[in-house]
Amino acid sequence: DTEVTQTPKHLVMGMTNKKSLKCEQHMGHRAMYWYKQKAKKPPELMFVYSYEKLSINESVPSRFSPECPNSSLLNLHLHALQPEDSALYLCASSQGRRTDTQYFGPGTRLTVL
Amino acid sequence: GDSVTQMEGPVTLSEEAFLTINCTYTATGYPSLFWYVQYPGEGLQLLLKATKADDKGSNKGFEATYRKETTSFHLEKGSVQVSDSAVYFCALSPPSSNTGKLIFGQGTTLQVKP
Repeated sequence: DTEVTQTPKHLVMGMTNKKSLKCEQHMGHRAMYWYKQKAKKPPELMFVYSYEKLSINESVPSRFSPECPNSSLLNLHLHALQPEDSALYLCASSQGRRTDTQYFGPGTRLTVL
Repeated sequence: GDSVTQMEGPVTLSEEAFLTINCTYTATGYPSLFWYVQYPGEGLQLLLKATKADDKGSNKGFEATYRKETTSFHLEKGSVQVSDSAVYFCALSPPSSNTGKLIFGQGTTLQVKP
């Protein structure tokens, strides 16, 4: 099974709301990633977890808060977002070595009103 | 720093035409190189990869060769189909990375017409 699942598929939220995105993989991968992708642009790395610990934070605003409850799950908590945060949020996982393939989920399409 | 440069699109071809999408990179040492494809409304999926110089990655009729001397990893396919219409991303993973971090090029949109 090489599937990464993400929920929800679509999310609409106001600027005062709190919501969470969820990602799950059952491939035994040790690294998990959050990316943000705007239309017609490449994915931008936000966070990397390695062995359930935050390894990379690419200077992401604190209104995005990642969490890795266990080796299979990755959450992204959202609070007080801005309309410019509207984007496709992609989760990925891999074994974490530079030669390894990253497996991507289908993404969550987020709209901030 | 490390970076990837792809040819700008969109690229529009007729079915059965030959495809080349250029990709060059800047990195110290020997990065791993990848081509990912994104179909409309979906996430990215690996198309092919090469992890050392002179390696050739291939999949579904697509090929790319890791050329250290020209720092390139051009994507080719001999005969494209309408179903190949998608956005193609060239990416590298730096040799220093211990997290598998990817650095992407800007992406090239391919449209294949019947």
